[in-house]
Amino acid sequence: ETGVTQSPTHLIKTRGQQVTLRCSSQSGHNTVSWYQQALGQGPQFIFQYYREEENGRGNFPPRFSGLQFPNYSSELNVNALELDDSALYLCASSFGTRDTLAGYTFGSGTRLTVV
Amino acid sequence: QKEVEQDPGPLSVPEGAIVSLNCTYSNSAFQYFMWYRQYSRKGPELLMYTYSSGNKEDGRFTAQVDKSSKYISLFIRDSQPSDSATYLCATNSGYSTLTFGKGTMLLVSP
Repeated sequence: ETGVTQSPTHLIKTRGQQVTLRCSSQSGHNTVSWYQQALGQGPQFIFQYYREEENGRGNFPPRFSGLQFPNYSSELNVNALELDDSALYLCASSFGTRDTLAGYTFGSGTRLTVV
Repeated sequence: QKEVEQDPGPLSVPEGAIVSLNCTYSNSAFQYFMWYRQYSRKGPELLMYTYSSGNKEDGRFTAQVDKSSKYISLFIRDSQPSDSATYLCATNSGYSTLTFGKGTMLLVSP
């Protein structure tokens, strides 16, 4: 299977709840990065996983956490949801952690709405 | 000051026009420069990338980087209604974490 797939496509949660978003990497890719894209903004880097270890983190609180599995699929977990967490969450896969450039493939994202 | 600045638009042009999209960046460590296109309700799709000052052409698209002034441009020739999308500039310093601009919404009318 080629391409990056994310699930679910849309999600509505209540403030204070927890959510898990899933990402299946492109075949052959061993690195996954998660981004948050608020309405009208560019994507912001949340964190990256390489070989099941966190390999870098952006300016997001610890209630944003992740996992990468041996098959390189990944999860993003957000605890204690806040209204400002409403955004499009994007997963991107690549091979390695340097010079990825053209090998950086985004999924279509999960649209999370917190009410 | 944001690391990558980009005018959000929207930018409206008639079909066939030449479009110029621009970004500025502040971090001299940025080495790689990319342009992504994002259609509504979709993830970003890589259009072009470059790592040096100068021009790079691909069909109707030309990416231009001026590292001395920290200025990035994307030119679209003979614009089509199908080019209507949000265009995101992005940079990185050699590692696979990207810093994006806000994106510019482009509307090409028939």
